Amino acid sequence: DQQVKQNSPSLSVQEGRISILNCDYTNSMFDYFLWYKKYPAEGPTFLISISSIKDKNEDGRFTVFLNKSAKHLSLHIVPSQPGDSAVYFCAASSGSNDYKLSFGAGTTVTVRA
Amino acid sequence: DTEVTQTPKHLVMGMTNKKSLKCEQHMGHRAMYWYKQKAKKPPELMFVYSYEKLSINESVPSRFSPECPNSSLLNLHLHALQPEDSALYLCASSHNTGGHQPQHFGDGTRLSIL
Repeated sequence: DQQVKQNSPSLSVQEGRISILNCDYTNSMFDYFLWYKKYPAEGPTFLISISSIKDKNEDGRFTVFLNKSAKHLSLHIVPSQPGDSAVYFCAASSGSNDYKLSFGAGTTVTVRA
Repeated sequence: DTEVTQTPKHLVMGMTNKKSLKCEQHMGHRAMYWYKQKAKKPPELMFVYSYEKLSINESVPSRFSPECPNSSLLNLHLHALQPEDSALYLCASSHNTGGHQPQHFGDGTRLSIL
């Protein structure tokens, strides 16, 4: 049963514009959320995380927003750069589940020049 | 450059072979993980080691045998694998398993079973 869902398999965006990636979860016990970026032939790279006590976390061009009531989070990338073209995975965990990560299926982002 | 190093990068083996995947990290992390990732799917957790002890086995078949010789090394011993075991095997590490913290992944071993 997929507890973390990324319903958009792909996203295409113009260089310099904003990329918005969405993620929904079903397990109300999740209290820590992460975004990973993956290039072909490489492992996932940790990007940014957010705890459920916050609703926003920012790191440079990357901002994650959390809406607990909607069980929804999003990753904003501003401005998008060609090097951002990759697969982005949303992940979530909770202490009640031994802090194991549950991953979404991923969204492939293509930044057009 | 990733701080979690996995070898080999690629491995082709027959169903009767015995081989091992290796993972090394020098970040002082005390939790290490094995994941399996099939094409166009998210990573799936296989094993978790905490302070060199196996803490989680996600009902993985016994043809996969993990080993943690010390706090920096994690091995995955393979024997009598099936073609459906062909996948990318990812190793990850984190400071420990208590509390919320990111896991850092290696680049994986691409395994093909003939």
